[in-house]
Amino acid sequence: EPEVTQTPSHQVTQMGQEVILRCVPISNHLYFYWYRQILGQKVEFLVSFYNNEISEKSEIFDDQFSVERPDGSNFTLKIRSTKLEDSAMYFCASSLDGQDYEQYFGPGTRLTVT
Amino acid sequence: GQQVMQIPQYQHVQEGEDFTTYCNSSTTLSNIQWYKQRPGGHPVFLIQLVKSGEVKKQKRLTFQFGEAKKNSSLHITATQTTDVGTYFCAPRGTGANNLFFGTGTRLTVIP
Repeated sequence: EPEVTQTPSHQVTQMGQEVILRCVPISNHLYFYWYRQILGQKVEFLVSFYNNEISEKSEIFDDQFSVERPDGSNFTLKIRSTKLEDSAMYFCASSLDGQDYEQYFGPGTRLTVT
Repeated sequence: GQQVMQIPQYQHVQEGEDFTTYCNSSTTLSNIQWYKQRPGGHPVFLIQLVKSGEVKKQKRLTFQFGEAKKNSSLHITATQTTDVGTYFCAPRGTGANNLFFGTGTRLTVIP
């Protein structure tokens, strides 16, 4: 069964450093998403991406965040200058189409900012 | 903005007992999805409800969407240890592609 993959599984970085989290969505999916989950809390939407541009973003997704689809398979989340409060599990998801389709989540990248 | 309340936050049950989690929205929803997240895992899609009053069943799981499309419930009959995890509702407003997850209900099943 096709699945969403994410790398790395765990990233440790120092405050102020830039990180790039990588995702490979399911190949025929058109919508891509990033979510984050602070330990023990709910899953929070960050951004959705369709047709090579951001379609929606939340208040969390401020200027320090950016997303990119640099080639036909990867979907990346960049955090420019990490803060301690960025420590969380970051999930990538993809869906075949938009609103009425289930989202398939990757295994996540645990980001630890020290 | 959309407000979503999910209750209870935690539920401990003996194996074999039933379990229900409720999701309530302040606004009328286009549809609602339910996801399960095992400890240390990622959310996994369970079901999507679209129609007012819709009821769907998956083996021991029963999902309902309220008549006003503002609330939903997930009921598990005769829980098993494999049901352990956090159950999230993810309501979707009109025209929105992103998911706003509820706060989740963490289910513990005591063997």
